[in-house]
Amino acid sequence: RKEVEQDPGPFNVPEGATVAFNCTYSNSASQSFFWYRQDCRKEPKLLMSVYSSGNEDGRFTAQLNRASQYISLLIRDSKLSDSATYLCVVNRGSSASKIIFGSGTRLSIRP
Amino acid sequence: NAGVTQTPKFQVLKTGQSMTLQCAQDMNHNSMYWYRQDPGMGLRLIYYSASEGTTDKGEVPNGYNVSRLNKREFSLRLESAAPSQTSVYFCASRVGQGFEKLFFGSGTQLSVL
Repeated sequence: RKEVEQDPGPFNVPEGATVAFNCTYSNSASQSFFWYRQDCRKEPKLLMSVYSSGNEDGRFTAQLNRASQYISLLIRDSKLSDSATYLCVVNRGSSASKIIFGSGTRLSIRP
Repeated sequence: NAGVTQTPKFQVLKTGQSMTLQCAQDMNHNSMYWYRQDPGMGLRLIYYSASEGTTDKGEVPNGYNVSRLNKREFSLRLESAAPSQTSVYFCASRVGQGFEKLFFGSGTQLSVL
């Protein structure tokens, strides 16, 4: 079983829709959490960090549930440019240096 | 404005050949990482170096060795390449604390025939 698990998708939704991704992690020692975005096998780019209290950045909202070891990402009013693969990322180890990626969820927005 | 530089960008090897992927960062980061990405999969951690002078195994270390040459450079060596090592390899670095993000190189497409 992978340490960080995501629904691979693909999610195919119309422009303007709201879409949610989930991620679970198995190691309770995990210390910090992120969502990255990756386009067409290019290098991943940080979308947002995930804080315990939940956080929002424009149309994007991230939530963390440490008790259930669960992270979520909500995208509201989706745009064509949101089409990408979304990667859930977890840090653990001393100084939170061991950084593990989930397999990614592919999102496709249709006009 | 270089950031993280990986070389080469593309490489084709025959089974059994060896090679070293080079990675250098100019941001004075403490931590450096090597990942591989296969089609339809996320990034899998091969090895990482939390700080200069240390290296640790990641999720898929078999068949690879690494060297943290100095604070700037972190190389990945394939001693005897196998077709299963055909992948895209990404190097990344970060300051080394908590919430700050990873900075990635542009990747190396490696094919082993």
